Amino acid sequence: GENVEQHPSTLSVQEGDSAVIKCTYSDSASNYFPWYKQELGKGPQLIIDIRSNVGEKKDQRIAVTLNKTAKHFSLHITETQPEDSAVYFCAATSYDKVIFGPGTSLSVIP
Amino acid sequence: DSGVTQTPKHLITATGQRVTLRCSPRSGDLSVYWYQQSLDQGLQFLIQYYNGEERAKGNILERFSAQQFPDLHSELNLSSLELGDSALYFCASSVTPGSTVGTEAFFGQGTRLTVV
Repeated sequence: GENVEQHPSTLSVQEGDSAVIKCTYSDSASNYFPWYKQELGKGPQLIIDIRSNVGEKKDQRIAVTLNKTAKHFSLHITETQPEDSAVYFCAATSYDKVIFGPGTSLSVIP
Repeated sequence: DSGVTQTPKHLITATGQRVTLRCSPRSGDLSVYWYQQSLDQGLQFLIQYYNGEERAKGNILERFSAQQFPDLHSELNLSSLELGDSALYFCASSVTPGSTVGTEAFFGQGTRLTVV
């Protein structure tokens, strides 16, 4: 069946460095790719998303890139801060299906 | 605060029992989605309702059912509970159906279910 792979599963970076999380999806019908941040004890929060007709989107320190041909999309966080520490989920969504990646636990070390 | 309210926050029950989880979407949101999050399974999409009608179904067990009422709140019913059903159950809402996540979806704080 369709799935979304996400790497790495855990990531530790020094404050101020960049963090990159990569996802690969299998369903070619996927056309919407959101990223969610989940802090401890809270529900996931949408932080950025990208649609299949766009290759890149940026919002301040966060950017997402999409390569539809390769079925890859990535989250880039620059100038990381301790408050960026959380679990990040990618998702690949088609008309009637949403599949989440397994999550990446990001730790930003002060 | 996302505006999505889930009750109860915590629930402890015995195997074989039945429980109901409740979700109130953000004001104006017509779509409600249910997700299960367990340690070894990540976020699993269960089911989506839009304006009272079932719109999409994910990996929802036959022991589980859901509905969305005319006031748009939703309930997830879990029956014949097993130890493996212990998980966080999240509800999310969005304005439009779109894909199963639609445009921006807002998640509630979740209900932590423990089956003993």
